[in-house]
Amino acid sequence: ETGVTQSPTHLIKTRGQQVTLRCSSQSGHNTVSWYQQALGQGPQFIFQYYREEENGRGNFPPRFSGLQFPNYSSELNVNALLLGDSALYLCASSLAGTYSNQPQHFGDGTRLSIL
Amino acid sequence: GENVEQHPSTLSVQEGDSAVIKCTYSDSASNYFPWYKQELGKRPQLIIDIRSNVGEKKDQRIAVTLNKTAKHFSLHITETQPEDSAVYFCAASINQGAQKLVFGQGTRLTINP
Repeated sequence: ETGVTQSPTHLIKTRGQQVTLRCSSQSGHNTVSWYQQALGQGPQFIFQYYREEENGRGNFPPRFSGLQFPNYSSELNVNALLLGDSALYLCASSLAGTYSNQPQHFGDGTRLSIL
Repeated sequence: GENVEQHPSTLSVQEGDSAVIKCTYSDSASNYFPWYKQELGKRPQLIIDIRSNVGEKKDQRIAVTLNKTAKHFSLHITETQPEDSAVYFCAASINQGAQKLVFGQGTRLTINP
C-alpha cells in the first residue's frame, strides 16, 4: 500500500510569487484535503477535493486554489504569496463513502518559506 | 464554527507512568474525534480515533474516552516509553459534506527516562 506523497519537500519563494504544491493520495483513497500548519500550531483546514471538485473550504482567501485529477492526485496553488503564508502544507487523503468521517492520513508536507 | 481547545500545552512524565491529554469541542454536531502524533519534522500520524456513538476505545497502551454531554474527549497513554515523546493533536469533525478536521493547539509530551 502506497502512502500519501507530497512534492516538493521544501520550497523558498518571494512575496508576490505563485506556488504549486503536489500530492498523491494513498492507494484506494479518493478524497484529498489540504491543511496549513504554522510553526507550533495545529493544522488548519484549507479545502477538500472529491470527484475532482472542491466540496468544502476553510477560512482561506480565493488566492488559495486547488485541483484534483482523475487519478485522485491533487494540487494546491497559492497566488500573490505573503510572508504569512510561510508554513508546512499538509495533504491528507481518505476514502469517502456512505459511512462518512473516514480516517485521514497525512503526507510529510511541503515546507514553504516566503522571503 | 467548531472550536477545539486542548490542554495541557506541555506535559512531562516519568517513563512507565501514565499521560492524559484533554480536549473540549464547541459544536455538539461533531461526531468524529481522531488523535494524531507528530514527531519533529514528520507527518501527523493517526494513532486512534473514536466516533460519537462510542464512549471509549482502546488500542494496546492507548485509549480515548468521549463524553458527549460535556463535549470533551481525552487521550490516555499507559506505561509510557521514551518513543511516546512527541506533539499530540486532537481534532473534531462534523459530517457535513466535506470532512473538515478542526485541530487543537497540540500537547508536547516528554517522557523522562
